[in-house]
Amino acid sequence: DTGVSQDPRHKITKRGQNVTFRCDPISEHNRLYWYRQTLGQGPEFLTYFQNEAQLEKSRLLSDRFSAERPKGSFSTLEIQRTEQGDSAMYLCASSLLGQGDYEQYFGPGTRLTVT
Amino acid sequence: AQSVTQLGSHVSVSEGALVLLRCNYSSSVPPYLFWYVQYPNQGLQLLLKYTTGATLVKGINGFEAEFKKSETSFHLTKPSAHMSDAAEYFCAVVMEAQKLVFGQGTRLTINP
Repeated sequence: DTGVSQDPRHKITKRGQNVTFRCDPISEHNRLYWYRQTLGQGPEFLTYFQNEAQLEKSRLLSDRFSAERPKGSFSTLEIQRTEQGDSAMYLCASSLLGQGDYEQYFGPGTRLTVT
Repeated sequence: AQSVTQLGSHVSVSEGALVLLRCNYSSSVPPYLFWYVQYPNQGLQLLLKYTTGATLVKGINGFEAEFKKSETSFHLTKPSAHMSDAAEYFCAVVMEAQKLVFGQGTRLTINP
């Protein structure tokens, strides 16, 4: 399978714990995006990388959130001291800069439940 | 700033009936527009996209959409609904740096 993969698919954690999610993009894609989707809403942009550089972070991304993309390949999203409001689906997408149609390819998402 | 409004959070049609999901956008530049579909507990799958050229765009699974600049709309249609079309549908517009801005989604239910 050469699509975008995310791990884990589901995560249940207690409030105050730290969690980390992983995203593996399509191998030749140089841009990687993280979105958050709460119940009944469309995905909202969190942050994106071009190769290993994190170029933008949304106001939604509080100080408890950090994302990395070492070596410009896979990416991780860490949430420290989780809160119940962090419960959501976290989606990763990748694209190829220079591809004129701007299509993003999405992974299956990681559903986080904070109890 | 770009934004997307989907009219109707829930649409219900009978199997075999016309599907019409509405999307209006706001953009200060010529928009690139997408429709994505999401099945329960899954990621988003691209149905179709408009970038430039022909304003009537055909996608997968028999869906199509028409870009109407004068109406700032990009409504999604399918002539005959199938049970397998039941899902959540999202309209999106591209912002700078290829970021996507999504509408709130429309849940499509198909009645047998």
